[in-house]
Amino acid sequence: RKEVEQDPGPFNVPEGATVAFNCTYSNSASQSFFWYRQDCRKEPKLLMSVYSSGNEDGRFTAQLNRASQYISLLIRDSKLSDSATYLCVVTRTGAGSYQLTFGKGTKLSVIP
Amino acid sequence: GAVVSQHPSRVICKSGTSVKIECRSLDFQATTMFWYRQFPKKSLMLMATSNEGSKATYEQGVEKDKFLINHASLTLSTLTVTSAHPEDSSFYICSGTPGLTDTQYFGPGTRLTVL
Repeated sequence: RKEVEQDPGPFNVPEGATVAFNCTYSNSASQSFFWYRQDCRKEPKLLMSVYSSGNEDGRFTAQLNRASQYISLLIRDSKLSDSATYLCVVTRTGAGSYQLTFGKGTKLSVIP
Repeated sequence: GAVVSQHPSRVICKSGTSVKIECRSLDFQATTMFWYRQFPKKSLMLMATSNEGSKATYEQGVEKDKFLINHASLTLSTLTVTSAHPEDSSFYICSGTPGLTDTQYFGPGTRLTVL
């Protein structure tokens, strides 16, 4: 099983739609969780951190379920500018090392 | 947010040559820098972690003699791809963090093409 797995995608949705991405992680020792956004041929940019209590930033809501080892990202009222690849990222620390593992990403295309 | 720059943004070189990529944190001191590689339609894969003033820690399968990393100051890390081959063609991205577990700030990436 891969350490971080995401919905395969691609997701093609009309403007204004609500879309949800899921991500599962295999290592129960994982400590921090993030969603990054990556535009084509660009570097990843932090979208938001994910907490067990859930967090919301405008149209974006992220949830973490530690028991199920599951992370989600909900985008409401999709905009054309939301088109990108969304990467689920999981981190853990151990033996003096810090590891940040990316999922393969889910591509979102918002259609006019 | 914190800014990380990379130079060059794109490089094309002949097989067998060496290429140096610079990664700079512009407005913070990056005690730790990370180097990633991303092949087309694939996720980012961590190559190595470097702490200022010490040797880099390489991930399994990454040849330390081929990918030389130097983190000589708190604002600069370099990755040198030695004797590059076409299979080294990829998108190389660095990131920096002020502390070991802080958010990572990514550079814009360097696209390497080896002919």
